[in-house]
Amino acid sequence: AQSVTQLDSHVSVSEGTPVLLRCNYSSSYSPSLFWYVQHPNKGLQLLLKYTSAATLVKGINGFEAEFKKSETSFHLTKPSAHMSDAAEYFCVVSLTDSWGKLQFGAGTQVVVTP
Amino acid sequence: DTAVSQTPKYLVTQMGNDKSIKCEQNLGHDTMYWYKQDSKKFLKIMFSYNNKELIINETVPNRFSPKSPDKAHLNLHINSLELGDSAVYFCASSQRGSGANVLTFGAGSRLTVL
Repeated sequence: AQSVTQLDSHVSVSEGTPVLLRCNYSSSYSPSLFWYVQHPNKGLQLLLKYTSAATLVKGINGFEAEFKKSETSFHLTKPSAHMSDAAEYFCVVSLTDSWGKLQFGAGTQVVVTP
Repeated sequence: DTAVSQTPKYLVTQMGNDKSIKCEQNLGHDTMYWYKQDSKKFLKIMFSYNNKELIINETVPNRFSPKSPDKAHLNLHINSLELGDSAVYFCASSQRGSGANVLTFGAGSRLTVL
């Protein structure tokens, strides 16, 4: 069975400083991994995805994530936080043939201070 | 030209009532889903339909009945509403075989049961 653990429930950063959101996964198969973002009272938007190609994945809005199989991690980073990055971020794992059954992490709330 | 649209966006009702949430996607996808987000923002899959056929049913009470009249629509009917049904319900869609189970989510329908 697959699972995903987001190591921080809240992250607070200053505008212009780097953001790091940590995610560890477990899966019996080669997983597909995603990061989704949810802005307040909004739906979920895909930031980026990993599907067994390049281990460093670039997404929208300057975010990127690195798949490290040896560490079973898929941490999300951004070099410089913007006020608009304040949102809830979800790390998600999916088996490659699971009909879209996604396993969501508990989420990390990002607060950006001026 | 919203990709996945849900109605209503907000729904407030009394315990014991029956209510429906509708979802439509114009992406030409063949698979649609209902996910539930609880008060702690945890997201879990409820149902999935592929070409109008139910393929995932995640031990949801049978008071919840999804219906897919065609592959562009997936509705959720809930009978005898309970306080614990209060949540945000997200509809999503994807195209099977397009790789990586990338889901496109709607904006959510916030159900409050009083």
